[in-house]
Amino acid sequence: AAGVIQSPRHLIKEKRETATLKCYPIPRHDTVYWYQQGPGQDPQFLISFYEKMQSDKGSIPDRFSAQQFSDYHSELNMSSLELGDSALYFCASSSRIGDLDLDEQFFGPGTRLTVL
Amino acid sequence: GENVEQHPSTLSVQEGDSAVIKCTYSDSASNYFPWYKQELGKRPQLIIDIRSNVGEKKDQRIAVTLNKTAKHFSLHITETQPEDSAVYFCAASRNNAGNMLTFGGGTRLMVKP
Repeated sequence: AAGVIQSPRHLIKEKRETATLKCYPIPRHDTVYWYQQGPGQDPQFLISFYEKMQSDKGSIPDRFSAQQFSDYHSELNMSSLELGDSALYFCASSSRIGDLDLDEQFFGPGTRLTVL
Repeated sequence: GENVEQHPSTLSVQEGDSAVIKCTYSDSASNYFPWYKQELGKRPQLIIDIRSNVGEKKDQRIAVTLNKTAKHFSLHITETQPEDSAVYFCAASRNNAGNMLTFGGGTRLMVKP
C-alpha cells in the first residue's frame, strides 16, 4: 500500500538560509499534519491542513509557513533558519472520507534537517 | 491546550515479562488516544489506539486501557520480546477537522534477552 512520501529525506543548510520540505499524503487522504521532533524529544505539532485550508496551528514559528495544494500535497517553507531548527520533520496524513479511519494518522519517513 | 504526561521515561524488563506505560491527559474533550512505537531515526508507527467510548482494547500481546474519569490511559505489553525495544509515545487528540496529536514525553523500553 502507498505510504506518505516526504522529500528530501536529508537536508543540510546554513544559518539564515531557507528550506522547503515536501509531503505527499496517502492517496485519498485529505488532511496533512506537520510535526517537528528534536533529538530525544516527542513530536511537536506545527500545523495541519484539511481540504487545502489550514485547520490547526501549533508551535510553528512565524519564520515558517505551509500550504496544501490542489493535489493535496503540502510544503513546509522555513526561512531564516536557526541552529535550533535542526530536527526531524514528519508529515502525517489522515482521511475523513470513505471507510478509512477518521482519526488514525499515518506518518511519513521524515526529513532530517541539519542547520550548520 | 492539551497536556499529556507519560511515565516512566525509561523502562527495562526481562524478555517474557510484561511492560506497562502510563499516560495522563488534561483536556476532557480529548477523545482519541493512540500509541506509537518509534525506533531510532524512524517514523512513529501506530501500534494500537482507543477512543473515549471504549474502556479497553486488545490486539495480541498489546492492550490499552482508558479511564475517562481519571483522565489516564495505559499501554500493556505482555510476553515482551527484544524486538519490542523502542521508544513508545502516547498521544491524545480531539475528533475534529484539526485532530492535532499532543504527544507524551515518550518511554524508552529496553527488553533484555
